[in-house]
Amino acid sequence: AQSVTQLGSHVSVSEGALVLLRCNYSSSVPPYLFWYVQYPNQGLQLLLKYTTGATLVKGINGFEAEFKKSETSFHLTKPSAHMSDAAEYFCAVTQVGFKTIFGAGTRLFVKA
Amino acid sequence: GAVVSQHPSRVICKSGTSVKIECRSLDFQATTMFWYRQFPKKSLMLMATSNEGSKATYEQGVEKDKFLINHASLTLSTLTVTSAHPEDSSFYICSAGGRTGGMGEQYFGPGTRLTVT
Repeated sequence: AQSVTQLGSHVSVSEGALVLLRCNYSSSVPPYLFWYVQYPNQGLQLLLKYTTGATLVKGINGFEAEFKKSETSFHLTKPSAHMSDAAEYFCAVTQVGFKTIFGAGTRLFVKA
Repeated sequence: GAVVSQHPSRVICKSGTSVKIECRSLDFQATTMFWYRQFPKKSLMLMATSNEGSKATYEQGVEKDKFLINHASLTLSTLTVTSAHPEDSSFYICSAGGRTGGMGEQYFGPGTRLTVT
């Protein structure tokens, strides 16, 4: 069985500060991991994904995430927050032949 | 990236009527499409998975006679909410997957806001 836990339903950072959104997963098979972003009243947009290979993956808008198997984590980071980063972020896990499981989401607030 | 469109973006209907929502993958053939429902400030709830040319697989608790899904081609899936009631008001999002070379990622439509009065 697969599951995803996002720690913190809300995260608030100042503009220019580090963004860290936490995601832990459980999976009985090697997982594929994703981060999606959702702006108000819109669908989800893929930020980045990990499937195999390099454990540090870079995505769009300056975000990156590191797959840590020993910690079953896939935390999302960005060195310097921008006002336009304010949105809802979803971590997701899947594998070929399995359903995609989404986390509950973390709303990121960016203060000026 | 892959583009998925949804139509309409917003719809208001009267209780008891039916509403059809279209989901199209514009630049790739999607072997699988997913329909989600999202309540305010909540995560996505998978309603059903549809594969082109076969019946949709509904999640537990989702009424298949109420939420009719048709995946007639590799680029089009439709969700029809039949005999809508106010409690069906929600944000419905489709996604497309199964892109050649893809690794399980899904491409989401922009969503449809349904309001039943």
